[in-house]
Amino acid sequence: NAGVMQNPRHLVRRRGQEARLRCSPMKGHSHVYWYRQLPEEGLKFMVYLQKENIIDESGMPKERFSAEFPKEGPSILRIQQVVRGDSAAYFCASTLRQGDNQPQHFGDGTRLSIL
Amino acid sequence: AQKITQTQPGMFVQEKEAVTLDCTYDTSDPSYGLFWYKQPSSGEMIFLIYQGSYDQQNATEGRYSLNFQKARKSANLVISASQLGDSAMYFCAMREGTNAGKSTFGDGTTLTVKP
Repeated sequence: NAGVMQNPRHLVRRRGQEARLRCSPMKGHSHVYWYRQLPEEGLKFMVYLQKENIIDESGMPKERFSAEFPKEGPSILRIQQVVRGDSAAYFCASTLRQGDNQPQHFGDGTRLSIL
Repeated sequence: AQKITQTQPGMFVQEKEAVTLDCTYDTSDPSYGLFWYKQPSSGEMIFLIYQGSYDQQNATEGRYSLNFQKARKSANLVISASQLGDSAMYFCAMREGTNAGKSTFGDGTTLTVKP
């Protein structure tokens, strides 16, 4: 499967723990985007990364959230000291190039549940 | 102001009939892309169709077509010959040329196909 791979598919954490969500883009894609989806809502942009660089983090909460896309390995979305309000589906997407004519190919998402 | 507006929270259609899902958008950027995604109950995001702001013709992909009315800033999705498997949430999204990283999503329309 050469699509965008996200893991885990489901993640359960207790309040105060850390959550790490992983995303491997499609082969050859170097642009990665993270979105959050609350129940019954559309996707909300969080952050856009290119290899080793954060391009746009305008949608990221100021505290507890961070993202990286290292030279080697998957992109990681990290949530520290999780709270109940962090419960959501987190989607990763990738594109080959930057540009408004590029459809973003999505992974299946990680469903994060906070107990 | 909402950048993407989907005014139909829920729609019903009889199997084998056509259905139109509405989407209006707001941008001052002359260059932008419009996308439709399908999200079935299993949760993944499936890319359906793309329309560029400079495209002269309406986009078509199999049973999906996009009714693009630039002056009205609308990009409605038309699904012909509906099938039971079309029952899902449908999202309209936009990427703007000056900000060609993130996509902005509407709140979605839940489509139910009746047998």
